[in-house]
Amino acid sequence: GAVVSQHPSRVICKSGTSVKIECRSLDFQATTMFWYRQFPKQSLMLMATSNEGSKATYEQGVEKDKFLINHASLTLSTLTVTSAHPEDSSFYICSAPSLKKSSTDTQYFGPGTRLTVL
Amino acid sequence: QKEVEQNSGPLSVPEGAIASLNCTYSDRGSQSFFWYRQYSGKSPELIMFIYSNGDKEDGRFTAQLNKASQYVSLLIRDSQPSDSATYLCAVRDSSASKIIFGSGTRLSIRP
Repeated sequence: GAVVSQHPSRVICKSGTSVKIECRSLDFQATTMFWYRQFPKQSLMLMATSNEGSKATYEQGVEKDKFLINHASLTLSTLTVTSAHPEDSSFYICSAPSLKKSSTDTQYFGPGTRLTVL
Repeated sequence: QKEVEQNSGPLSVPEGAIASLNCTYSDRGSQSFFWYRQYSGKSPELIMFIYSNGDKEDGRFTAQLNKASQYVSLLIRDSQPSDSATYLCAVRDSSASKIIFGSGTRLSIRP
């Protein structure tokens, strides 16, 4: 199946700093990527849809100025958590849909990035 | 608000038995349904997808879909300790390309 990578896998930072997370589709092109956040023992929450060459679409309640998304190429999307605070500590996961156009499309998930803000 | 509902569990099943996981969804227009498995600290991995009413089998896994009842389930036969994980039901939004996830059911297979 398709492969999606994320970097870094784990990051610890001080409160107030910014953290950038990269999501790459390794063997396919992705015009759309999705960013999720997962708090412990909770489900995946979609934060935003990243669109190559245009602005990201944010879900209700997600601050677009705090979570900056850039999708500059067909294989790379980045999420920057600006001025991170301890409440931003979470597991951030990106995904990219498969290339098939049928309704059986699915999403391939990256391995996730665990962010800890001290 | 389109929703996907699952019992959070934990569901405890003896090794070798059948584990049955259930999910309901609110968007009647949904066409694609997925089951993901997520181990603690890892990202989800796709187990099954189904888009037609009825059963779909793949090895020890069977997905069942009933669109009239807006219900989808996952059966795991001959449960193994390695099946212990959280299982996420997911439904593709009928009006967009995004997938909506349920909160997951924690499954524990006891030896």
